[in-house]
Amino acid sequence: GNSVTQMEGPVTLSEEAFLTINCTYTATGYPSLFWYVQYPGEGLQLLLKATKADDKGSNKGFEATYRKETTSFHLEKGSVQVSDSAVYFCALLMDSNYQLIWGAGTKLIIKP
Amino acid sequence: GAGVSQSPSNKVTEKGKDVELRCDPISGHTALYWYRQSLGQGLEFLIYFQGNSAPDKSGLPSDRFSAERTGGSVSTLTIQRTQQEDSAVYLCASSVSSNTQYFGPGTRLTVL
Repeated sequence: GNSVTQMEGPVTLSEEAFLTINCTYTATGYPSLFWYVQYPGEGLQLLLKATKADDKGSNKGFEATYRKETTSFHLEKGSVQVSDSAVYFCALLMDSNYQLIWGAGTKLIIKP
Repeated sequence: GAGVSQSPSNKVTEKGKDVELRCDPISGHTALYWYRQSLGQGLEFLIYFQGNSAPDKSGLPSDRFSAERTGGSVSTLTIQRTQQEDSAVYLCASSVSSNTQYFGPGTRLTVL
């Protein structure tokens, strides 16, 4: 079946460090891929998405590229801030479906 | 514009009581989804509505759970005879089509 695997957290970084959160997927077909972010005490916010291979999603300095050859959608940011501390979820959605398939989430802690 | 809203934001109830959780989707969004987020299970899909119809109820964990949607807008998730394992954050999302889903802030349910 379809699934998403993302790196376990927590990930702890210093402010201005480079961030990578790995996400790989298994899917029978060509899904759309998403990163959602959940700040402490808040709901899920769409961070970025990509709907086909080689697309790059970007928002708020975060980027992720849909790599069909490696079935990956890794999240990157060049210089993190304390305000980026949150839990990040990778998810996929098949064209023929409506149910988001979620990774387990990665907690990111940024220290000043 | 207004996002997805959910009420109440927090609900504490006693085991065995019934609870109703409400979701107001983004205006014009025809699709509505309920998910559950709990510590041990991560994010789980519960049910999906297209208009007022629920083509897939397979994610509902037991027959104590039911949901309805009226007027193609507001949805109510009802849990009867609540159990402690029902404690979780219940998230509602809506979308124009079965692609990008926008989430509300969630209802935190605590069953004592």
